[in-house]
Amino acid sequence: DTGVSQNPRHKITKRGQNVTFRCDPISEHNRLYWYRQTLGQGPEFLTYFQNEAQLEKSRLLSDRFSAERPKGSFSTLEIQRTEQGDSAMYLCASNSMGPQYFGPGTRLLVL
Amino acid sequence: KQEVTQIPAALSVPEGENLVLNCSFTDSAIYNLQWFRQDPGKGLTSLLLIQSSQREQTSGRLNASLDKSSGRSTLYIAASQPGDSATYLCAVTQGGSEKLVFGKGTKLTVNP
Repeated sequence: DTGVSQNPRHKITKRGQNVTFRCDPISEHNRLYWYRQTLGQGPEFLTYFQNEAQLEKSRLLSDRFSAERPKGSFSTLEIQRTEQGDSAMYLCASNSMGPQYFGPGTRLLVL
Repeated sequence: KQEVTQIPAALSVPEGENLVLNCSFTDSAIYNLQWFRQDPGKGLTSLLLIQSSQREQTSGRLNASLDKSSGRSTLYIAASQPGDSATYLCAVTQGGSEKLVFGKGTKLTVNP
């Protein structure tokens, strides 16, 4: 069990560019979550998958954001036409039942 | 809408002291409550999970309690060490949703 992994760990992009992040959950976990955290705040929920089905989306997830989990394994989170306000830490978590286990996060900076 | 509050926002204690971190939530209809620690610039490490039917959970020097009716949880850390310095976050889930709703955290500094 190598834990939840996320790539890249850091991303710097210019405003208006598209970015994609990847999350690999703990292998036996069927639920996968995305959260966003800004400085001094707790993480905020974005969306979650059970297997390949996206079951819940936050209103924070504007139409510029899209998440997928093909085949119920890894997940990708894409942000189109990035804005400076998208700068944050993007966290992924997974579980089956019980505690959610978090990855190290991807820190995004939009210039 | 569920809101989670953690007080104090920051706490500084000398090494060896026992301490209590507080978490309150506005809607008592929670499914479970989870405590995490977060080191600067890092992801979250799960510490303890308390199901809504439970009153407390213990792991090593950590003890978390839950009082659903009053909307409160506490995290007790015994014999604090400098390595305990981190931000501690609590989060709750509610029936019908798997999402965690977080507080802003308490930043703990344990001074040698």
